[in-house]
Amino acid sequence: SAVISQKPSRDICQRGTSLTIQCQVDSQVTMMFWYRQQPGQSLTLIATANQGSEATYESGFVIDKFPISRPNLTFSTLTVSNMSPEDSSIYLCSVVPGGGIADTQYFGPGTRLTVL
Amino acid sequence: AQKITQTQPGMFVQEKEAVTLDCTYDTSDPSYGLFWYKQPSSGEMIFLIYQGSYDQQNATEGRYSLNFQKARKSANLVISASQLGDSAMYFCAMRELNNNAGNMLTFGGGTRLMVKP
Repeated sequence: SAVISQKPSRDICQRGTSLTIQCQVDSQVTMMFWYRQQPGQSLTLIATANQGSEATYESGFVIDKFPISRPNLTFSTLTVSNMSPEDSSIYLCSVVPGGGIADTQYFGPGTRLTVL
Repeated sequence: AQKITQTQPGMFVQEKEAVTLDCTYDTSDPSYGLFWYKQPSSGEMIFLIYQGSYDQQNATEGRYSLNFQKARKSANLVISASQLGDSAMYFCAMRELNNNAGNMLTFGGGTRLMVKP
């Protein structure tokens, strides 16, 4: 299993500013995943973060808008840059401690972001 | 094309009754896993149940069971004896073994379940 914490739990930000979200895991994991959940919607994968290499971004997401750091095997940050109201979402950090098909994917509690 | 489809945006169920939440999926990978998560209003994602593509029996976990029909590519979640605390969003998700370098899940659109007292 894995216990994941995120900071901040929620924030209200002004348009044009940036917010960095931190994700801490209680065990070492190879990959960490960042998801976005827009209001009333499902989870959409933003990027996969490997330690020691650049993150891999999904279609529709770019590094300039969502830069990610992965300095070690238990920590990652996601920055939401130059925010607009459309960025208002829950941002979730996630890990899969094992490498098997049946291994559970664990999620952090999420960061609720509101952009005014 | 959508890989995971949940056709019921919202459902009501009477307390103590059973309810089935639908999920169909699309994959050409013979090895895959199907997961259900519950997301209450607090926002946390709670793992409920898992079904592997090679599992011979339907998965069960307490009041949760999975009606797995491989030929139809469906993996419906059955909640028995609904409780008020079951009111939440429910997400079906899939992991493909061979088409998934990151081992992450792909999610369906979700179903909002509301349990009536």
